[in-house]
Amino acid sequence: GDSVTQMQGQVTLSEDDFLFINCTYSTTWYPTLFWYVQYPGEGPQLLLKVTTANNKGISRGFEATYDKGTTSFHLQKASVQESDSAVYYCVLGGYAQGLTFGLGTRVSVFP
Amino acid sequence: EAGVTQSPRYAVLQEGQAVSFWCDPISGHDTLYWYQQPRDQGPQLLVYFRDEAVIDNSQLPSDRFSAVRPKGTNSTLKIQSAKQGDTATYLCASSFPDWEYAEQFFGPGTRLTVL
Repeated sequence: GDSVTQMQGQVTLSEDDFLFINCTYSTTWYPTLFWYVQYPGEGPQLLLKVTTANNKGISRGFEATYDKGTTSFHLQKASVQESDSAVYYCVLGGYAQGLTFGLGTRVSVFP
Repeated sequence: EAGVTQSPRYAVLQEGQAVSFWCDPISGHDTLYWYQQPRDQGPQLLVYFRDEAVIDNSQLPSDRFSAVRPKGTNSTLKIQSAKQGDTATYLCASSFPDWEYAEQFFGPGTRLTVL
């Protein structure tokens, strides 16, 4: 079945540091890939999405690039702020289907 | 526009008790999902509906869990006899009937603790 792997469980940074989270996926079809972000006490919310038609997505200063050859999908941000502290999920999905979430990466940013 | 609403926000039970969770999706969203999120893990799909029809309930523990969406709007997820392993946050999400975007909008969840 479909699967998503996030190897980094926790990332600790200082403000203005560079953030990079890697993700790999496995599926037998053409996926739409998402990054969702979850703040304490809230449900996940969409950060950005990338389809097979375009290899890159950008939102709120975050950028995600999808590589079909290596089945990887990483998220990066050039300069993080304390408000970026949250859990970030790499997610595999498609039209009106359930989403397959990775385990998540907890990002903590300190001033 | 109102987001996805869920109630209750918290529930604490003894093993063997029953509990129901209620979800009101965003108006106009035909697809509704229930996810289970154990502590420090990502959400895992339990069941989803398109209008009132169940599309996939293969991950729903059918002996104790049930879910309905009788009029294609609100939905109820019920645990008949809770176990400690059911301790988790239960998230409801909904989406538009959109081919490309497929963004799911999540509610705040119900945090369940089974003692």
